[in-house]
Amino acid sequence: EAQVTQNPRYLITVTGKKLTVTCSQNMNHEYMSWYRQDPGLGLRQIYYSMNVEVTDKGDVPEGYKVSRKEKRNFPLILESPSPNQTSLYFCASSTGLASYEQYFGPGTRLTVT
Amino acid sequence: GQSLEQPSEVTAVEGAIVQINCTYQTSGFYGLSWYQQHDGGAPTFLSYNALDGLEETGRFSSFLSRSDSYGYLLLQELQMKDSASYFCAVRDREYNFNKFYFGSGTKLNVKP
Repeated sequence: EAQVTQNPRYLITVTGKKLTVTCSQNMNHEYMSWYRQDPGLGLRQIYYSMNVEVTDKGDVPEGYKVSRKEKRNFPLILESPSPNQTSLYFCASSTGLASYEQYFGPGTRLTVT
Repeated sequence: GQSLEQPSEVTAVEGAIVQINCTYQTSGFYGLSWYQQHDGGAPTFLSYNALDGLEETGRFSSFLSRSDSYGYLLLQELQMKDSASYFCAVRDREYNFNKFYFGSGTKLNVKP
């Protein structure tokens, strides 16, 4: 089954404790992206990747890091989480330059206390 | 900068037709797409317009006017299961890379 998976689905952590949210897709997609969703603000892009070793900042990259060492995986790293990073996070993928259809993972609800 | 505006909430009755509007301001516009998101779920792709005009996919249609920087999603024969949030999104080319920008979403309430 074609899908985007994220882990963990729920996470409660404390300020400053490094964490990684994993994202994996099995569709051989070139384009992958991370979004955060907050009430009233819609989806805001954090980082995206056009292909392996090619990443760039989205609209709200501060406090986040990403890497793309393999085509299927695109982890999101919060080196020192803060309460304002409490949010719902979605990973998405698409086939690349010509595609407007993104496939979203199930989401990760992160709470930073 | 880039901005997309859509109404925050719309209510309609089952069987009716509803239109959700989206106006945008972007540079290097690459197309307007629409996503549906049920409460607790992930966004799912509905439709996309790169050129002016109407695209129809079953009960859903999407329209784009690039000269007016405006588009809409039209839902016909509304069903209870259409109660969800709907987001418009643009793909914006910048420095040979591509970013997506989403509107803040329109919550559609379908009543019996």
